[in-house]
Amino acid sequence: DAGVTQSPTHLIKTRGQQVTLRCSPKSGHDTVSWYQQALGQGPQFIFQYYEEEERQRGNFPDRFSGHQFPNYSSELNVNALLLGDSALYLCASSRGGVSSYNEQFFGPGTRLTVL
Amino acid sequence: QQQVKQSPQSLIVQKGGISIINCAYENTAFDYFPWYQQFPGKGPALLIAIRPDVSEKKEGRFTISFNKSAKQFSLHIMDSQPGDSATYFCAASYARGSTLGRLYFGRGTQLTVWP
Repeated sequence: DAGVTQSPTHLIKTRGQQVTLRCSPKSGHDTVSWYQQALGQGPQFIFQYYEEEERQRGNFPDRFSGHQFPNYSSELNVNALLLGDSALYLCASSRGGVSSYNEQFFGPGTRLTVL
Repeated sequence: QQQVKQSPQSLIVQKGGISIINCAYENTAFDYFPWYQQFPGKGPALLIAIRPDVSEKKEGRFTISFNKSAKQFSLHIMDSQPGDSATYFCAASYARGSTLGRLYFGRGTQLTVWP
């Protein structure tokens, strides 16, 4: 079992550019959540996808958007990048829809640096 | 607003000692409290979790103590080992409502265990 995989591992962009991050959930999982982890901070919830729909969203601007595909994989898109978007972006997957009691498995993250 | 407050920010413990990390929350609607362990370059991994209907949960050397009236919970690592050196995050989530399944993380505690 490969667990949660994310690509790319690292990414460097300049201000104003757009970026797409990808996530493949753990086998058997159908729910994907995205988190942003700034240096020295805890992860902050961005949004969650289940059945190809955004089920809930954290306090992030519309520049952050996402998608879930029929095979449960997911993308996170960020437009008009700002310096403050530099962070580790984590994808977490779980099984059985949206529930607090479904253990969330995290991927290794994508380190985004905005110059 | 930080929904879950974690302390200390950093902790240095001698091998064989007890590591204690504390967290506090305000919202009594939280009903799932996991602890995550994160090594450098890796995503957070679930260590142990508790629901508010029990006051303590133990798994090996790791114990969660939960005080519902004080709205506090803590992680105890007995017989701390150098391999336990990592960043630990407490988190909380709701089991119902529009934000169920979303994890609210503390800021993290950097634990260093000296041999």
